[in-house]
Amino acid sequence: DVKVTQSSRYLVKRTGEKVFLECVQDMDHENMFWYRQDPGLGLRLIYFSYDVKMKEKGDIPEGYSVSREKKERFSLILESASTNQTSMYLCASSLSFGGQPQHFGDGTRLSIL
Amino acid sequence: QKEVEQNSGPLSVPEGAIASLNCTYSDRGSQSFFWYRQYSGKSPELIMSIYSNGDKEDGRFTAQLNKASQYVSLLIRDSQPSDSATYLCAVIGQGYQKVTFGTGTKLQVIP
Repeated sequence: DVKVTQSSRYLVKRTGEKVFLECVQDMDHENMFWYRQDPGLGLRLIYFSYDVKMKEKGDIPEGYSVSREKKERFSLILESASTNQTSMYLCASSLSFGGQPQHFGDGTRLSIL
Repeated sequence: QKEVEQNSGPLSVPEGAIASLNCTYSDRGSQSFFWYRQYSGKSPELIMSIYSNGDKEDGRFTAQLNKASQYVSLLIRDSQPSDSATYLCAVIGQGYQKVTFGTGTKLQVIP
């Protein structure tokens, strides 16, 4: 089974802090994704990566950055956390060929105070 | 126009009945279609994948795809209270470059 592990299940940070969310997958997947999910808005893609050291902006990249130094690890960085970034953050991974499905981690519920 | 549309629900069905969840998509060249189940406060879990027209069955679940009409559906037979969740439809468009999720349909199975 695919295992996508997010470093924290719950996280509380203060406005202005730099926040790191970590994601590790164990299935040698090429593709990795970061989403946020808010009530009524569904899943929104923040950033994705098709390969090591490669990144692409999703639909809502403002205020975020990412890092992918190793194939199995994809980090999301909130440069200066703001209250409107309080959300559920979901990491996912997938194989690169043939329209394969994404597999999600358990999510990190982030609260910015 | 939303790229992937689902009725938000809630869809209420009695225990033991068939639940029918529907999804329409706008990209006629879409190639891959998925259904995810998401319990409240949890992450989405893949339950079905379908790539060609017709039906695909897996236990109590049947996915149906009609590319000409641009819809995909999920049938849940013998619905159980444990099936109560939000079901997300996901579609991968031409060139396999992007996956688009619907906003989900909330299903309530009444004991």
